[in-house]
Amino acid sequence: GAVVSQHPSRVICKSGTSVKIECRSLDFQATTMFWYRQFPKKSLMLMATSNEGSKATYEQGVEKDKFLINHASLTLSTLTVTSAHPEDSSFYICSARGDGTYGYTFGSGTRLTVV
Amino acid sequence: GNSVTQMEGPVTLSEEAFLTINCTYTATGYPSLFWYVQYPGEGLQLLLKATKADDKGSNKGFEATYRKETTSFHLEKGSVQVSDSAVYFCALRGGGSEKLVFGKGTKLTVNP
Repeated sequence: GAVVSQHPSRVICKSGTSVKIECRSLDFQATTMFWYRQFPKKSLMLMATSNEGSKATYEQGVEKDKFLINHASLTLSTLTVTSAHPEDSSFYICSARGDGTYGYTFGSGTRLTVV
Repeated sequence: GNSVTQMEGPVTLSEEAFLTINCTYTATGYPSLFWYVQYPGEGLQLLLKATKADDKGSNKGFEATYRKETTSFHLEKGSVQVSDSAVYFCALRGGGSEKLVFGKGTKLTVNP
């Protein structure tokens, strides 16, 4: 079946630094990638949607300059948290959808802790 | 806008007990409805889905029926196992949109 590999699974960084999270579709072409953020005891909040080769579409309230999304190929999308602060600490999950397919394949998530 | 309200947990059951996790939704048009499961340390996996009213999704002993009259999609299983311990998410996709809207998730723990 379809697999999305997300790395790293956990990362701790210092305040003010940037962190990159990668999601790779291993056996299908991910034409659309979704990035979510999950707060404790809250649902997954969609941050942005990206299509390969296009600029990401951000949800209302999400700072596009802080959460940089790149979807330069059909198998790789990255989320970079720039100038991270403790309030950016969260669980980030990617989800990919292939062209013409119905389903969404999720990565295993990245636990980001900013100290 | 579209939204999903899901029974909050945590839910703790003994093995072979009956499970119900309530889910109701608000959406325009005719959304597709989903249940996803997240096992510890893993990503979300599709458990079952229903795309139109009165459809019943089923998988691994779990069932949920798309009830348009009550805007509900409750998850049920007649006899849970320890291996069913996970977090369960109800979600919808509105007509014409690729975006999934999730409930808050319900953590289920099944004790032997």
